[in-house]
Amino acid sequence: AQTVTQSQPEMSVQEAETVTLSCTYDTSESDYYLFWYKQPPSRQMILVIRQEAYKQQNATENRFSVNFQKAAKSFSLKISDSQLGDAAMYFCAYRRPDTGRRALTFGSGTRLQVQP
Amino acid sequence: ETGVTQSPTHLIKTRGQQVTLRCSSQSGHNTVSWYQQALGQGPQFIFQYYREEENGRGNFPPRFSGLQFPNYSSELNVNALELDDSALYLCASSLDSTTQYFGPGTRLTVL
Repeated sequence: AQTVTQSQPEMSVQEAETVTLSCTYDTSESDYYLFWYKQPPSRQMILVIRQEAYKQQNATENRFSVNFQKAAKSFSLKISDSQLGDAAMYFCAYRRPDTGRRALTFGSGTRLQVQP
Repeated sequence: ETGVTQSPTHLIKTRGQQVTLRCSSQSGHNTVSWYQQALGQGPQFIFQYYREEENGRGNFPPRFSGLQFPNYSSELNVNALELDDSALYLCASSLDSTTQYFGPGTRLTVL
């Protein structure tokens, strides 16, 4: 079974600074998808970024980028120029690409605080 | 484009009762997944529906059941509620194998 580990329960960053959230996963599959979701106090899970395992290039979305290390099974999220609105729980998630069950397996989350 | 919606926003039930939660998928999406998120934890997969058929189930007992309708909206039913069922229930919709988009969730409290 696939597992996702987020070893940082809480992180703090100063506004305008850069922070990196860590995620490791365990799988025997060679092809899969990885995601970072943000969950603010409003509770709604919002997609931040997605990475396909077969792609060598790291995904980027504006201030958000990932460092995908397939051999190490590591998938970290870098937030540049942190803003107050970035404060939230961040979840790393894994999904198999097959046409059957497309369930997401989530990590336990990292709470990000942004200090003004 | 309408996003994923869920109802009700929150509700309170007593142990042993039954509850139905509802989810309207995003326009054009044919797959709905349900997750349970206990306080302070990541979401756990309950089950998924694809074109009205159950398409996979997580480690949840049979008293958790669901439906998907022809318009791809979905229901989650929980019978014989237990205290541990208190959680945020999240619905996510997607088109085939693409990214899942989540609704705002339903907060269930079981007393």
